[in-house]
Amino acid sequence: KAGVTQTPRYLIKTRGQQVTLSCSPISGHRSVSWYQQTPGQGLQFLFEYFSETQRNKGNFPGRFSGRQFSNSRSEMNVSTLELGDSALYLCASSLSHRENEKLFFGSGTQLSVL
Amino acid sequence: ILNVEQSPQSLHVQEGDSTNFTCSFPSSNFYALHWYRWETAKSPEALFVMTLNGDEKKKGRISATLNTKEGYSYLYIKGSQPEDSATYLCAFGGTGTASKLTFGTGTRLQVTL
Repeated sequence: KAGVTQTPRYLIKTRGQQVTLSCSPISGHRSVSWYQQTPGQGLQFLFEYFSETQRNKGNFPGRFSGRQFSNSRSEMNVSTLELGDSALYLCASSLSHRENEKLFFGSGTQLSVL
Repeated sequence: ILNVEQSPQSLHVQEGDSTNFTCSFPSSNFYALHWYRWETAKSPEALFVMTLNGDEKKKGRISATLNTKEGYSYLYIKGSQPEDSATYLCAFGGTGTASKLTFGTGTRLQVTL
């Protein structure tokens, strides 16, 4: 069974640009959540999608958005990139949106904003 | 804002030592407590998900306990091995929260020969 796949692995952008990251969950998983990891910080929750609907959103500006497709694949978009957006972005999938379901993480996308 | 604290921040032990870490979380609106192991250059991997007060889980040399009334969980590693070197994350899942899971900043464990 294939794991969670995130693309691309690495990305270098400049300030003001926008970026789209992709996440393909484990087959059969309907929930995809996104997290941001910066040095010294824990994983910060961005948003969660379940059955193409955003269920929760973390405390991030509107420049961060996402969506989920009918095949459960998810994308997140960051517009007008800032230097502080440089981080590792992880997505995780689970069978459902219930908080007692373990998360399966992808390898992450390392975004560098110059 | 939910506060999930982990201690210590980092730990350096010798092979064969036993060790334990702490995760503190809000004692109200509890739903689940997760533990993940995150090795360098890999993805975080689930160790345990605990939901009931007094829960104890075990996986090989690693075990965890849960106290939801006082809001803490312990992770124990017996006879640490170099392959146990990783960052151990706990995550709190609550009812009626705006976040999927709230993660602590982790305990970084290094096991040397």
